[in-house]
Amino acid sequence: EPEVTQTPSHQVTQMGQEVILRCVPISNHLYFYWYRQILGQKVEFLVSFYNNEISEKSEIFDDQFSVERPDGSNFTLKIRSTKLEDSAMYFCASRSAAYEQYFGPGTRLTVT
Amino acid sequence: QQQVKQSPQSLIVQKGGISIINCAYENTAFDYFPWYQQFPGKGPALLIAIRPDVSEKKEGRFTISFNKSAKQFSLHIMDSQPGDSATYFCAASIWQGAQKLVFGQGTRLTINP
Repeated sequence: EPEVTQTPSHQVTQMGQEVILRCVPISNHLYFYWYRQILGQKVEFLVSFYNNEISEKSEIFDDQFSVERPDGSNFTLKIRSTKLEDSAMYFCASRSAAYEQYFGPGTRLTVT
Repeated sequence: QQQVKQSPQSLIVQKGGISIINCAYENTAFDYFPWYQQFPGKGPALLIAIRPDVSEKKEGRFTISFNKSAKQFSLHIMDSQPGDSATYFCAASIWQGAQKLVFGQGTRLTINP
């Protein structure tokens, strides 16, 4: 069964450093998403991406964040200058033709 | 208005019992309501979803009940099993367009053997 994959599973970085989180969505899906979950809290929407552009973004998704689909399979989230409060689990999701969103296993980002 | 409120925060049910988790929303534009199951260290997995044209949807032991006038929906897990122990999130979105999911706070469900 096709699934969303994410790398790395855990990323540790120092405050102020840039990180890139990578995702491979399910191959025939057209809508892609990033969500985050701070430890013990609910899952929060960051951004949706369709047809090579952002379709919607939350107030969390400020100028420090960017997304890209550099090729036909990868979907990336870049945080330019990480802050302590960026520490969270980041989930990529992709949407099927039946409008169901499937989540990857997540990347745990720890900013020290 | 974008919030989805979920209760209870935690729930303990005996094996074989019925687990019930409730959610309420404010935004009347929401018209898609999925439930996700999350095990520790894993991503949320889609369990079951409903649209407001029906008041109930059943898949195996899982049932969503939907009350459009009250703006509430709930998940019922029949014959709860220890393997059902997980965190459950309700969510809501607008079916068309970007369909960003707004999640509830989550319910940690424990099924005692």
